Amino acid sequence: AQSVTQLGSHVSVSEGALVLLRCNYSSSVPPYLFWYVQYPNQGLQLLLKYTTGATLVKGINGFEAEFKKSETSFHLTKPSAHMSDAAEYFCAVSDLKTSYDKVIFGPGTSLSVIP
Amino acid sequence: NAGVTQTPKFRVLKTGQSMTLLCAQDMNHEYMYWYRQDPGMGLRLIHYSVGEGTTAKGEVPDGYNVSRLKKQNFLLGLESAAPSQTSVYFCASSYPAGKRSSYNEQFFGPGTRLTVL
Repeated sequence: AQSVTQLGSHVSVSEGALVLLRCNYSSSVPPYLFWYVQYPNQGLQLLLKYTTGATLVKGINGFEAEFKKSETSFHLTKPSAHMSDAAEYFCAVSDLKTSYDKVIFGPGTSLSVIP
Repeated sequence: NAGVTQTPKFRVLKTGQSMTLLCAQDMNHEYMYWYRQDPGMGLRLIHYSVGEGTTAKGEVPDGYNVSRLKKQNFLLGLESAAPSQTSVYFCASSYPAGKRSSYNEQFFGPGTRLTVL
C-alpha cells in the first residue's frame, strides 16, 4: 500500500532563507505525487504535482519539487522564504489502483517564517 | 464560481447529539469526498462518492453516514456524536464531467471545525 512520510512536523526558516520540506513515499507502482498547501483557517489547495515527464516540477508562488525515483523522494523547495509562505504543507501520493482520484496524504509540515 | 462550500463553519455538540454537515460544489464534478483532519495525521478519507446516488466507505467510516441525492451536494451525518469525532472536516470534489484524465485534481472546501463535548 502507498504511504507518505514527511520529515519534521514543524520547520522554521528566516525570511529570505531557503525553504526545504522533505517528503518520502512508498509505492508499488510509479506514483503521481503532489504538494498541497493549507493557509490558516482555509482548505487545501494544490501547490504542484508530478505525473509523468520532467522530474523537476514548478508550482505556484515560486515553489518547486523534484521527483527522485531512486530515493523515493519528492522534496519541496523555495529559494527565498516570504512571510506569506507560513502555512501547513502536505505531501500526497496517488493510489492508482483505485478509480476515483484517491490520494494518500502525509501528516503535514507546519512552516514558520521568522522576520 | 463559488467552488466548494461547506456549512456550518463551526459547531459545538454534546455527546450523543446528531448533526449534518453540508457540502456543495458548482463545478459539475462527478466525485466528492469527506475527510477529517487531526493534528499529526494529515487528512483521512471518511466516505466518498463517484456519482449521484452512490457512496462508498473510505479509511475511517465508523460513526458517519453520507448521502448524495443531488450531484452538487454531499452530506455527512453524525448520528450520535462522540468526543473522538472532534476534528476539522473537509469536503473535496474532482473530475469535471466528461473530462476524465489519468488524474483529476481535488478541490477543497474551507472546512468545518467540530467540537464534541
